[in-house]
Amino acid sequence: TQLLEQSPQFLSIQEGENLTVYCNSSSVFSSLQWYRQEPGEGPVLLVTVVTGGEVKKLKRLTFQFGDARKDSSLHITAAQPGDTGLYLCAGSNAGNMLTFGGGTRLMVKP
Amino acid sequence: SAVISQKPSRDICQRGTSLTIQCQVDSQVTMMFWYRQQPGQSLTLIATANQGSEATYESGFVIDKFPISRPNLTFSTLTVSNMSPEDSSIYLCSAGGVGVEQFFGPGTRLTVL
Repeated sequence: TQLLEQSPQFLSIQEGENLTVYCNSSSVFSSLQWYRQEPGEGPVLLVTVVTGGEVKKLKRLTFQFGDARKDSSLHITAAQPGDTGLYLCAGSNAGNMLTFGGGTRLMVKP
Repeated sequence: SAVISQKPSRDICQRGTSLTIQCQVDSQVTMMFWYRQQPGQSLTLIATANQGSEATYESGFVIDKFPISRPNLTFSTLTVSNMSPEDSSIYLCSAGGVGVEQFFGPGTRLTVL
């Protein structure tokens, strides 16, 4: 069974601070996706990384896929209250099946 | 990306009854999935809804409890049968094409009394 561990589980920070969320596994994934979910809504896809060592930037969000394709990180610069939500990483292999991490609940206080 | 809608958005049901949740995609998709999510927690895959054949269930989920239909490439239903309070959760459907990304519906929040 492939497992993805996310850390931290909870994060409460002030507006303007930086933060990093980690997603780690002992298994190799062909790709990894990051989602953000707000209360009452489904997860929304932020990014997909597929190449070991890949770095993708989405405005203030930077996503990195580990060289061995077993881990990933999400870094948010100058967090804003609108970044508040549940962040989920999900690894994919054959069959388009996703293995989800446990999630990181982020609260950004104004 | 695909736009996915679910009905109902929420429901409160009595123990022992069944509820069918509908999932509609705005375009034809190869894959459709059903997940369960406790509020504030991660997603657990229930099953893959296969068009024209029986769904593929994950460990811990069985067809008698969670029958799934997928009559075409844009629609699927999940029934939660003989409900108990332990079935209270958010149920999400997702859809994907030939790529790896999945797009999610808004979820159905189920409360069983």
